Amino acid sequence: DGGITQSPKYLFRKEGQNVTLSCEQNLNHDAMYWYRQDPGQGLRLIYYSQIVNDFQKGDIAEGYSVSREKKESFPLTVTSAQKTPTAFYLCASSLPRRTSGNTIYFGEGSWLTVV
Amino acid sequence: AQSVSQHNHHVILSEAASLELGCNYSYGGTVNLFWYVQYPGQHLQLLLKYFSGDPLVKGIKGFEAEFIKSKFSFNLRKPSVQWSDTAEYFCAVNAGGSSNTGKLIFGQGTTLQVKP
Repeated sequence: DGGITQSPKYLFRKEGQNVTLSCEQNLNHDAMYWYRQDPGQGLRLIYYSQIVNDFQKGDIAEGYSVSREKKESFPLTVTSAQKTPTAFYLCASSLPRRTSGNTIYFGEGSWLTVV
Repeated sequence: AQSVSQHNHHVILSEAASLELGCNYSYGGTVNLFWYVQYPGQHLQLLLKYFSGDPLVKGIKGFEAEFIKSKFSFNLRKPSVQWSDTAEYFCAVNAGGSSNTGKLIFGQGTTLQVKP
């Protein structure tokens, strides 16, 4: 089946530790995104990438890093500088912006908790 | 900068009641508008979208939304809700046309609880 796969679904991070969330898509989408969903604040953009080997910071990029070495993969590293204790992370992808009205599709999300 | 505001944070309705969730956005140019839904324990799904043309768009499960450009609004409606509509609803916008970068700006979300 075509779709976006995030792993792991649940992850625990110790303070001072970096962890990486995986996101893979087989939709042949050029653009990929990482959002964080916080209660009462909706979804906020962390990083996005419109093409391989290129990415831009979103609204809450501090404490995060990404890479885009392959079209189908957009891993997110949560560094020790990120202080949010528990958060839900959503990966998404879409067709290129030149495509009329590109729709963004989401993965099932990953919960990350600092212990 | 773009922003999206959803007026209702938590809505409680009885089955068969009518639903309208407000959404206003702030952006001066052409926009693409979306409503996403997140059912309990499930991933975010597209409910409906507006890119151009008829400002009244119909989505899945009997939902519809009307784009009123003069009011910068894109309210979601359903004439008769069901218990299965209990979910969180997000309005989102991105810049349309040549200004489109793909990234979506989301509202804060509205939790809808439908009582059987």
